[in-house]
Amino acid sequence: DGGITQSPKYLFRKEGQNVTLSCEQNLNHDAMYWYRQDPGQGLRLIYYSQIVNDFQKGDIAEGYSVSREKKESFPLTVTSAQKNPTAFYLCASSPGLTYNEQFFGPGTRLTVL
Amino acid sequence: GQQVMQIPQYQHVQEGEDFTTYCNSSTTLSNIQWYKQRPGGHPVFLIQLVKSGEVKKQKRLTFQFGEAKKNSSLHITATQTTDVGTYFCAGGNFGNEKLTFGTGTRLTIIP
Repeated sequence: DGGITQSPKYLFRKEGQNVTLSCEQNLNHDAMYWYRQDPGQGLRLIYYSQIVNDFQKGDIAEGYSVSREKKESFPLTVTSAQKNPTAFYLCASSPGLTYNEQFFGPGTRLTVL
Repeated sequence: GQQVMQIPQYQHVQEGEDFTTYCNSSTTLSNIQWYKQRPGGHPVFLIQLVKSGEVKKQKRLTFQFGEAKKNSSLHITATQTTDVGTYFCAGGNFGNEKLTFGTGTRLTIIP
């Protein structure tokens, strides 16, 4: 089956620890995205990547980092510098950036204690 | 920066009633997409509109893109329990590859 996988579904971390969220796609898409979803605020773009070895900051990149070493993978690291990391994180991919529908993974719910 | 607002934030309707959500952008959009997120799920693409004044239909769902390409609407006729979820619009901006998502409208159906 083609699609996007995110793991784990639920993640708990202590304050001050960095944590990396996994995102893998086998759709052969060039573009990948990370969004953060908080209640009542919709989806906010953290980082996006148009092509391997290239990525751009989104609207709320502070406290996050990404890498795009492989076309299939776009991991997100939530660093200790992120002041309010508890949220639902969604990864998405699309064939290209513009005029393309985005396909979303199931999401990771991160809780920082 | 670009802002995309949606109203209402919440809507409760009796099953069989109609439902409409509105999306308004602070800037002219290159295109607009609509997504549906079921409770506990992830957003799923519904449709994309590109042309000024465009109207598209999917069974009981009707999507419109305003003449000025700054607003859009989604109308559901005769809602069913399967329509429950949050509906998001997402606007594309000329010269900017990113989509800006609206705040969403959460639809609840009363059986």
